[in-house]
Amino acid sequence: EPEVTQTPSHQVTQMGQEVILRCVPISNHLYFYWYRQILGQKVEFLVSFYNNEISEKSEIFDDQFSVERPDGSNFTLKIRSTKLEDSAMYFCASTSWGPNQPQHFGDGTRLSIL
Amino acid sequence: KQEVTQIPAALSVPEGENLVLNCSFTDSAIYNLQWFRQDPGKGLTSLLLIQSSQREQTSGRLNASLDKSSGRSTLYIAASQPGDSATYLCAVRLETSGSRLTFGEGTQLTVNP
Repeated sequence: EPEVTQTPSHQVTQMGQEVILRCVPISNHLYFYWYRQILGQKVEFLVSFYNNEISEKSEIFDDQFSVERPDGSNFTLKIRSTKLEDSAMYFCASTSWGPNQPQHFGDGTRLSIL
Repeated sequence: KQEVTQIPAALSVPEGENLVLNCSFTDSAIYNLQWFRQDPGKGLTSLLLIQSSQREQTSGRLNASLDKSSGRSTLYIAASQPGDSATYLCAVRLETSGSRLTFGEGTQLTVNP
């Protein structure tokens, strides 16, 4: 069964550094998402992306965050200047032809800010 | 603001038991509701998606029901097995919030052999 793949599985970064989290969505999917889960808390929506632009973002997704689909397969989340509170598990998800379809999630990247 | 609540937070049952996990949401104007399974340190595996017009969905030993008007969904697991041990999350997509999912806190299920 096709999968959403995320790299790296674990990223350790110094506070203030930039970090890029990478995702390869399922190949024929059109809608892409980033969510995060701080340890012990709920999964929270960050941003959705369709047709090469952001379609929706949450209040968490401030100017420090950006997303990009640099080619036909990758979908990236960049955090420009990381803070301690950015430490979380970051999940990428994708959906096929319409947002009423199920969202399929990757295994996540655990981001640890020191 | 949509709030999603799952009860109980944790559940421990002996193998073979049938069980029900509960999910409630405050805003009934939803497009759909999705149940996920999350294993420790892993991602979310989609189990079932129920559209707002549907009452239930079944996949193998799993059956999810939806009562949109009362803001409730249940996930029924028949003949539970130790391999079912995981955290189960429900998430809703609102009619008014694009395609974002709003998640509950999850129910941590342990099935004892």
